[in-house]
Amino acid sequence: DGGITQSPKYLFRKEGQNVTLSCEQNLNHDAMYWYRQDPGQGLRLIYYSQIVNDFQKGDIAEGYSVSREKKESFPLTVTSAQKNPTAFYLCASRTGQTNTGELFFGEGSRLTVL
Amino acid sequence: AQSVAQPEDQVNVAEGNPLTVKCTYSVSGNPYLFWYVQYPNRGLQFLLKYITGDNLVKGSYGFEAEFNKSQTSFHLKKPSALVSDSALYFCAVRAGNNNDMRFGAGTRLTVKP
Repeated sequence: DGGITQSPKYLFRKEGQNVTLSCEQNLNHDAMYWYRQDPGQGLRLIYYSQIVNDFQKGDIAEGYSVSREKKESFPLTVTSAQKNPTAFYLCASRTGQTNTGELFFGEGSRLTVL
Repeated sequence: AQSVAQPEDQVNVAEGNPLTVKCTYSVSGNPYLFWYVQYPNRGLQFLLKYITGDNLVKGSYGFEAEFNKSQTSFHLKKPSALVSDSALYFCAVRAGNNNDMRFGAGTRLTVKP
């Protein structure tokens, strides 16, 4: 079945360590997104990518990095520079053919910093 | 700039009663409006969207939403609530000439038997 796969589902990290969250989609979507979810704050955009080898910062990009080397993949690295990384991270994609398409979400990755 | 407000953190309804989850938006240009639902520790699922045309939009699981341009609102409704509708609901907006989508803070819906 087509969809978005995020891994790992749960991740624990010690302070000072970088971690990479995986996001893979087989929907043939051009655009991919990373959101962070905190209780009571909704979803905040970290980075998004409209095409391969191109991406833009969202509202809270500091302390995060991404790459888009393949259409299917959009990994997110949470660096040690991110001061409060404990959160639920959601990856999403949509077709880039028009601007009217809804987002398709993965099941999320919950990162906890110990 | 575009933004979404969901004025109610929590909505409680009895099973079988109608439900409304409110959403207002601010955007330059034509708005594209979306509703999503999230169950615990899961990703968001798309319910419905308004792009253009009829102001009343029907979506999944018996949900519908009404676009009101003058009030800049896009409230989610269902005629008869089910206990299984209990979840976190998000409204989102994208301007017609923009690529990113902005989400509200979410409204937790609880349907009691």
